[in-house]
Amino acid sequence: AAGVIQSPRHLIKEKRETATLKCYPIPRHDTVYWYQQGPGQDPQFLISFYEKMQSDKGSIPDRFSAQQFSDYHSELNMSSLELGDSALYFCASSLDTITGELFFGEGSRLTVL
Amino acid sequence: SQQGEEDPQALSIQEGENATMNCSYKTSINNLQWYRQNSGRGLVHLILIRSNEREKHSGRLRVTLDTSKKSSSLLITASRAADTASYFCATDTGNQFYFGTGTSLTVIP
Repeated sequence: AAGVIQSPRHLIKEKRETATLKCYPIPRHDTVYWYQQGPGQDPQFLISFYEKMQSDKGSIPDRFSAQQFSDYHSELNMSSLELGDSALYFCASSLDTITGELFFGEGSRLTVL
Repeated sequence: SQQGEEDPQALSIQEGENATMNCSYKTSINNLQWYRQNSGRGLVHLILIRSNEREKHSGRLRVTLDTSKKSSSLLITASRAADTASYFCATDTGNQFYFGTGTSLTVIP
């Protein structure tokens, strides 16, 4: 069965550079979530989209932005990267936000040097 | 502040023993989910329990939910070395999913 696809799986950037992460949800899933997980930390909610509209916002820095496109894939854009942005970034999708489970991708590991 | 808190933070047991992890949360939820994560890997969904359910089983997993105490427990029976991982609870408030701090489980062969 198709799963949530994230790309790239690994990304190395310098401070002050920009990075873009992509997420392709499971077909027919209408909600996408982005999470950030620092080393040894629990996943922190960043932002979510429902039917291509932003539905909720968590602890996402102003330097970050995200959107969901017409084909339901989502991109997380991170600018002016800082060392502290080094983390695993997970995307998850779901079909039913009331009773449904989240399906996670394998994550994109961002390293900022 | 964080929606979910888990205890213990770390648990080490012998293979064959049972492992119990607890999760407490703060606000009303639609459902609570448990996830497993191997070091540096993605989150794998284990089980979902809805707010109107009290107990659920799946293989060697048993989950309980007490909405009056805002807590849940995950029991892994007859543990195996391959169960070594971090386990997170996630609460669905209808707007967001909040993850707990996680329990690091080590099963010693």
